[in-house]
Amino acid sequence: DVKVTQSSRYLVKRTGEKVFLECVQDMDHENMFWYRQDPGLGLRLIYFSYDVKMKEKGDIPEGYSVSREKKERFSLILESASTNQTSMYLCASSSRPLPYEQYFGPGTRLTVT
Amino acid sequence: SQQGEEDPQALSIQEGENATMNCSYKTSINNLQWYRQNSGRGLVHLILIRSNEREKHSGRLRVTLDTSKKSSSLLITASRAADTASYFCATDAWGAQKLVFGQGTRLTINP
Repeated sequence: DVKVTQSSRYLVKRTGEKVFLECVQDMDHENMFWYRQDPGLGLRLIYFSYDVKMKEKGDIPEGYSVSREKKERFSLILESASTNQTSMYLCASSSRPLPYEQYFGPGTRLTVT
Repeated sequence: SQQGEEDPQALSIQEGENATMNCSYKTSINNLQWYRQNSGRGLVHLILIRSNEREKHSGRLRVTLDTSKKSSSLLITASRAADTASYFCATDAWGAQKLVFGQGTRLTINP
């Protein structure tokens, strides 16, 4: 079974802190994605990556950056956390090319106070 | 911008009844997928239907696709309490390398 893991289920950070969210997949997938999910807004794509060291902006990249140094790991970085980044963050991976299904991690609920 | 929009936003039915959810989208697509999300968890892929298909079945799930109306429906037959979840459609537009998710339908199955 494909497994996508995220480093934390719940995280509480203070405004201005640098936050790292880690995602690891074990199926040698080329594509990896970071979404945030907010009530009434559905899933919104932050960044995605086709390959190691490759990244593409999604729909809402502002305030975020990503890193993919190894194929199995995709990190989301909040350079200076703000309260409006309080959200559920979901990582996903898929084979290339689309339209293959995406496999999701359990999510990280981040609260910025 | 949202590509897929689900209708209704919330649906509550009795166990054993059928549940139907609809999804509309705006541009031409390569395929459409449906996902389920249990409360506070990640999404799980349910079924994929390609743009040249009109209907697809998987167990108690039936998906239809009408590309002329840019719409899809997900039917869950003989619902169970375990079907309580949010359901999302996702589309990938031609030439795009990403999925766009709708806002979801929250389905509640009452015992």
